[in-house]
Amino acid sequence: EAQLVQSGAEAKKPGESLRISCQGSGYTFTSYWISWVRQMPGKGLEWMGRIDPSDSYADYSPSFQGHVTISADKSISTAYLQWSSLKASDTAIYYCATIGFNYDTDYWGQGTLVTVSS
Amino acid sequence: EIVLTQSPDFQSVTPKEKVTITCRASQSIGSGLHWFQQKPDQSPKLLVKYASQSMPGVPSRFSGSGSGTDFTLTINSLEAEDAAAYYCHQSSTLPLTFGGGTKVEIK
Repeated sequence: EAQLVQSGAEAKKPGESLRISCQGSGYTFTSYWISWVRQMPGKGLEWMGRIDPSDSYADYSPSFQGHVTISADKSISTAYLQWSSLKASDTAIYYCATIGFNYDTDYWGQGTLVTVSS
Repeated sequence: EIVLTQSPDFQSVTPKEKVTITCRASQSIGSGLHWFQQKPDQSPKLLVKYASQSMPGVPSRFSGSGSGTDFTLTINSLEAEDAAAYYCHQSSTLPLTFGGGTKVEIK
C-alpha cells in the first residue's frame, strides 16, 4: 500500500529552527512530485511549494518563498520542509502530498502539527 | 497569482438533497482544476481531477464540470458521510492555489 508518513508534532519557540519530514513507501518515490500544504487553525488549504524528488528541483509560492526550504533525499524516499527562524504565525498543520504536477493519484501524509509559542 | 473564489462558504443541507459548489478563477485555467474533500480531522482527498474526471472509488454522486474560469462540483443526493469541507485547486499556473473552501453541513 502506497503511503506518505510524516514526522510527529512539534512545539517550538519563535526564532527556533525546524525540519519536518515526509517519507514515501509502497510506490516509486521519484515518480511523483511532492507538494507541501499549510492549514492554519480552523482555516483552508494553502499551497506552499513542490519538489521533484528525482532531481530536487523545487518551486515555491511567493507567499512562502524565502521563509521555508523544501528539499528531498531520494535515497531514503523522504521530503523535508524546513524553517530557519519560526514565527508564531507558522502555527499550523502541514501536509505533504503527491500533487502539484501529476494528478493521476494523490497520496497524503497524516499531517504534522507545528506549534510555535513563547 | 490565480485567485480561486468558491461559493458558498457554507451550506447546510438535508440528506438526499443536491449540492452545487462553484469555483471561479481570476483568469482562464483551461481544465486544470481539481476538487478535494476534507473530512474533520482527516487529510484531504482528491475527488475530481482536471475539472470533470472522477477519481477511482469516488461515489458516482460526485461530479465536476466546467472549463476556463467557471467550474462546478455537484453532489447528487447528499449522504451523511459527505459532511466535509470541499476545496477547488488549480494546477494550470504557478503558484498553484486553492480556493477558500466550502463547508457542507448535514441538517
